[in-house]
Amino acid sequence: SYEVSQPVSVSVALGQTATITCEGDNIGKKHVHWYQQKPGQAPVLLIYRDSARPSGIPARFSGSNSGSTATLTISTAQGGDEADFYCQVWTSGTVLFGGGTKLTVL
Amino acid sequence: EVRLVESGGGLVRPGASLRLSCAASGFIFSDYTMNWVRQAPGKGLEWVASISSRSDYIYYGDSVRGRFTISRDNAKNSLSLQMHSLRADDTGVYYCARDGGMAAYYFDLWGLGDLLTVSS
Repeated sequence: SYEVSQPVSVSVALGQTATITCEGDNIGKKHVHWYQQKPGQAPVLLIYRDSARPSGIPARFSGSNSGSTATLTISTAQGGDEADFYCQVWTSGTVLFGGGTKLTVL
Repeated sequence: EVRLVESGGGLVRPGASLRLSCAASGFIFSDYTMNWVRQAPGKGLEWVASISSRSDYIYYGDSVRGRFTISRDNAKNSLSLQMHSLRADDTGVYYCARDGGMAAYYFDLWGLGDLLTVSS
């Protein structure tokens, strides 16, 4: 069965750029979506179809997808960006979430 | 206002049954595939089930297939999840989530979630 994997944690200095990866076999052939979840809150859609941003999501958040890795990039990281981030794909009648990545802004 | 509101959660014994509901408002409910996603305490997101706009396509995650049934009532703007043979590992927050459109299978609108605890 298909699997997607994310790093458990990523740290970034305030104002710098963070990258969070989502790996899967030929994931570049699938659409990857990203969610941000802050403690005690519901997830929020951050990026859909690899690189599209819903209205209201800052341009600091961007996505890409190629080969075996999809990437979420957070530019000019802010303290308010600290959260759990999940990638998600749809494959063979199943929705799969990555295990989640905890972003810490130092 | 566009919103989803879950209800029906609570504390139940292992082996019990329970029905969760999700009330939708502020959008044309019958146009969208709808979903349930859950999150065990301190864990990540787990997709539970999806139902297409006219209920003609229904999918379940492996851990709930055969025990849970997703359904919808477009006339009442309501989504449901009937759960049987509940186990401790079904404990968690259950979110109702709207598909991004055209059965794209990403989730652009989430409810606040409802907590289900399965414990003796």
